Amino acid sequence: EPEVTQTPSHQVTQMGQEVILRCVPISNHLYFYWYRQILGQKVEFLVSFYNNEISEKSEIFDDQFSVERPDGSNFTLKIRSTKLEDSAMYFCASSESGVGSYEQYFGPGTRLTVT
Amino acid sequence: AQSVAQPEDQVNVAEGNPLTVKCTYSVSGNPYLFWYVQYPNRGLQFLLKYITGDNLVKGSYGFEAEFNKSQTSFHLKKPSALVSDSALYFCAVRLGGSQGNLIFGKGTKLSVKP
Repeated sequence: EPEVTQTPSHQVTQMGQEVILRCVPISNHLYFYWYRQILGQKVEFLVSFYNNEISEKSEIFDDQFSVERPDGSNFTLKIRSTKLEDSAMYFCASSESGVGSYEQYFGPGTRLTVT
Repeated sequence: AQSVAQPEDQVNVAEGNPLTVKCTYSVSGNPYLFWYVQYPNRGLQFLLKYITGDNLVKGSYGFEAEFNKSQTSFHLKKPSALVSDSALYFCAVRLGGSQGNLIFGKGTKLSVKP
């Protein structure tokens, strides 16, 4: 069964450093998403992406964040200058369609620790 | 604003007994509702969804959920729990007809004891 994959599984970085989290969505999916979950809190939406541009973003997704689909398979989330409060589990998801009835398929997550 | 509530942080069930994980939602229109499960060190795995039609929807691993519009609930159920069902369960909602993101509840930890 096709799966969303994410690398690395755990990333430790110092405050102020840039990090890039990588995702490979399911191959025939067209819509891509990033969510995050701070320890003990809800899973929160960050951004959705379709046709090489951002479809929707939350208040969390400020100028420090960016997303990119650099080739036909990868989907990346970049945090330019990490803060302590960026420490969280980051989940990538993809779906076949953007229609609301379609489920999203999630990767295993990248645990980001900012020290 | 759309929101999802999972009132229980943890649900404890004996193996073989029925289980229920509760979820209520608040949206301004018709909802699309989803249940996801998260096993340790794994991503969120889709279980089932309600879009329209029959209020009782069946999903993976013997799980089902009942949509109740009047009570704005979408409780997850299983007639006979297995130890392997122990995991974190998330309810999520999306406004019907939208292409928007999922709004998640905080999750409920299900513990099934032998």
